[in-house]
Amino acid sequence: EAQVTQNPRYLITVTGKKLTVTCSQNMNHEYMSWYRQDPGLGLRQIYYSMNVEVTDKGDVPEGYKVSRKEKRNFPLILESPSPNQTSLYFCARSPAGQTYEQYFGPGTRLTVT
Amino acid sequence: QKEVEQDPGPLSVPEGAIVSLNCTYSNSAFQYFMWYRQYSRKGPELLMYTYSSGNKEDGRFTAQVDKSSKYISLFIRDSQPSDSATYLCAPTPTGANNLFFGTGTRLTVIP
Repeated sequence: EAQVTQNPRYLITVTGKKLTVTCSQNMNHEYMSWYRQDPGLGLRQIYYSMNVEVTDKGDVPEGYKVSRKEKRNFPLILESPSPNQTSLYFCARSPAGQTYEQYFGPGTRLTVT
Repeated sequence: QKEVEQDPGPLSVPEGAIVSLNCTYSNSAFQYFMWYRQYSRKGPELLMYTYSSGNKEDGRFTAQVDKSSKYISLFIRDSQPSDSATYLCAPTPTGANNLFFGTGTRLTVIP
């Protein structure tokens, strides 16, 4: 079964404590992306990756880092989380050349106090 | 002005009703028009998409794009309680690296 898995699914943390949200896909897709979803703002792209070692900023990259060392994994790193990063985060995958057709993970709900 | 505008609803309809969900957009470069469905506490799932103008039908769902008026529609025939979800339109230009999501319309189909 084609999957995008995210861990953890729920996380409550404190301001400034570094955290990583993992994302993994089993379809060998080149493209992966991170979005955050906030009420009234919809889904906004944080970072994306076209392939291994190729990453670029989306619309709201401030405060986030990513890495793509292998095709299946695309972790999202918050070096120093702040309360305005409290949100619902989604990872997505897509085959090369078809980034209009994205498949999302189940989401990670992050609360930063 | 947002690139994609979508009425957030909520929209409540009786079972069996025809539902019309709509978005407007401002970017003339949009060529792919996606509709995602998102159930509560789940990730968005791709429902269907169209390329350029015209209609596309998939079972009870019909997607319609009018590029001249920059208007995107999703019609659901014979709506079912299982259709209760938030529907997100997401147009994008050819070759783009992201989707431009509307904020979603929350639909409830009442048995």
